[in-house]
Amino acid sequence: NAGVTQTPKFQVLKTGQSMTLQCAQDMNHNSMYWYRQDPGMGLRLIYYSASEGTTDKGEVPNGYNVSRLNKREFSLRLESAAPSQTSVYFCASTGVGASSGNTIYFGEGSWLTVV
Amino acid sequence: QQPVQSPQAVILREGEDAVINCSSSKALYSVHWYRQKHGEAPVFLMILLKGGEQKGHEKISASFNEKKQQSSLYLTASQLSYSGTYFCGTAPRSNDYKLSFGAGTTVTVRA
Repeated sequence: NAGVTQTPKFQVLKTGQSMTLQCAQDMNHNSMYWYRQDPGMGLRLIYYSASEGTTDKGEVPNGYNVSRLNKREFSLRLESAAPSQTSVYFCASTGVGASSGNTIYFGEGSWLTVV
Repeated sequence: QQPVQSPQAVILREGEDAVINCSSSKALYSVHWYRQKHGEAPVFLMILLKGGEQKGHEKISASFNEKKQQSSLYLTASQLSYSGTYFCGTAPRSNDYKLSFGAGTTVTVRA
């Protein structure tokens, strides 16, 4: 019963390097999300995908790109990592839409440090 | 725009009660409540939709007042397992696919 799976769990990057965070869900959910969590800031939405084939910006999209590869997978790419992107990243998914009363399921998080 | 949660932190002894508030400057359609333990993913507690309903999960319940654009989470007869950070997530419309989360309220329950 995997749910939402994220990789990698931990990563250290040098400033300017690029990397991709992978996310997959096995619940046949339509909507997927990427959040970042910083101390005292709660969860902030980076990008989301309401359904396969669509992506939209959230609150803090600068410095990130996403790809909805298929219904199961939603990846987050940092093209040129900056220290300000040091954070914990959570992928999440939901059936139809978060506001319609569907539960959001979160992955276990990816701890990213940019030095 | 992120909702505002209060208080930022609360310390309780086992058996005591607490209330966590979540307020928004926008009209709300739904409010979600999550609890996160240190180093773990947020875990769903409950959803409240527009209509002022109150829900419960064990001894944790919540209310939603859409006129005041706020929700409250009630921790009753707290247990050690209630410790963690509680987040509210809000959506302004029924067809809005994304939630905005508050900064969280850290609850510490001591024996």
